[in-house]
Amino acid sequence: ETGVTQTPRHLVMGMTNKKSLKCEQHLGHNAMYWYKQSAKKPLELMFVYNFKEQTENNSVPSRFSPECPNSSHLFLHLHTLQPEDSALYLCASSQGEVGATSGYTFGSGTRLTVV
Amino acid sequence: AQSVTQPDIHITVSEGASLELRCNYSYGATPYLFWYVQSPGQGLQLLLKYFSGDTLVQGIKGFEAEFKRSQSSFNLRKPSVHWSDAAEYFCAVGVGDTGNQFYFGTGTSLTVIP
Repeated sequence: ETGVTQTPRHLVMGMTNKKSLKCEQHLGHNAMYWYKQSAKKPLELMFVYNFKEQTENNSVPSRFSPECPNSSHLFLHLHTLQPEDSALYLCASSQGEVGATSGYTFGSGTRLTVV
Repeated sequence: AQSVTQPDIHITVSEGASLELRCNYSYGATPYLFWYVQSPGQGLQLLLKYFSGDTLVQGIKGFEAEFKRSQSSFNLRKPSVHWSDAAEYFCAVGVGDTGNQFYFGTGTSLTVIP
């Protein structure tokens, strides 16, 4: 148990589907993040939320839509994805919008396959 | 631009042998430095971190890392590798005034042979 829980663990979706990834943390952290991990590439930061407010969007396509209803929950809504969006999507949290002083706590990820 | 380089994509060591994974960064000041480990199908787990002070830091699972400013390096070491150490290892740096710009390396895959 890492303290950050992601569901589902695996997801297969068609390009016309709409699905959502969920992340939950009960560590008392106030910053949450979505990362994309593709094979042989560095982790790509997608979105940052600090105290429920989105503070960063790294030029992510609009087919990815984040939602942070409170400091403990983070969603990533997916629609009309492309096969190249297949990857491991990692959620992380930290105390403060830094990740630096405390480091991130990562979830186990959702393995997404777009067919 | 800031960057993190892990020059070894894959390393194979024998169980019981020593290990060193390399990490170099490109940044004008001293960044916040981290090593993470990722087991198959899992998220990343923090092994250790360096902010300031003693340049040799100890982490979990018997790992240590040494910050060398002159070489812009933060190499990870373990004196005796166990089979359970087989995983992917990521170096990361946090830069900026509060370290809120976070960059990961591409990772080094470690195989441990009996």
